[in-house]
Amino acid sequence: NAGVTQTPKFRVLKTGQSMTLLCAQDMNHEYMYWYRQDPGMGLRLIHYSVGEGTTAKGEVPDGYNVSRLKKQNFLLGLESAAPSQTSVYFCASRWSRGTDTQYFGPGTRLTVL
Amino acid sequence: SQQGEEDPQALSIQEGENATMNCSYKTSINNLQWYRQNSGRGLVHLILIRSNEREKHSGRLRVTLDTSKKSSSLLITASRAADTASYFCATGSLNSGGSNYKLTFGKGTLLTVNP
Repeated sequence: NAGVTQTPKFRVLKTGQSMTLLCAQDMNHEYMYWYRQDPGMGLRLIHYSVGEGTTAKGEVPDGYNVSRLKKQNFLLGLESAAPSQTSVYFCASRWSRGTDTQYFGPGTRLTVL
Repeated sequence: SQQGEEDPQALSIQEGENATMNCSYKTSINNLQWYRQNSGRGLVHLILIRSNEREKHSGRLRVTLDTSKKSSSLLITASRAADTASYFCATGSLNSGGSNYKLTFGKGTLLTVNP
């Protein structure tokens, strides 16, 4: 049981380049989330999904797109990276019932030059 | 906007001492959770307290919740060097549809436990 995994762990992009971050979970969770964490800040929600084929905007969605084609995967895309998107990105997931405790991946450190 | 705000921002103590961190929030909540983050790692859930509970214990952790003051505290007793980490509170609220999809995280308290 790997829990929540994220790919890649590190990435350096140039301004304007695109990339996709992959989150995978093997706990059969319905809900999945993408957050970004910046120095001195808490986690800010980018997008989330409450089920396969559904996505919704969070607190800071601009410049990002997401897709949830399979229940176990949640992809975060940057179409044209900007230096302001330099951050550590965390994926999380949880069950739809019971407590709303979230389970986090190890993070992806992204630098945009 | 940040719902939870932790206090202090940083705390440095000696091994064996107790560590207390506080969290204040602004709107009505369904529950409040505390998470821990070791440097360079993801967050790990520690404990959850529901809005109708006032105190909860888990091992060396004690959480209190005062909904009238919109505040919570996390006490770690007999701290160890391995407790060095950032601690975040997160609040869960029901939306207008009665669903509870999202958590709102504070900025965290950096706890350093010196050997």
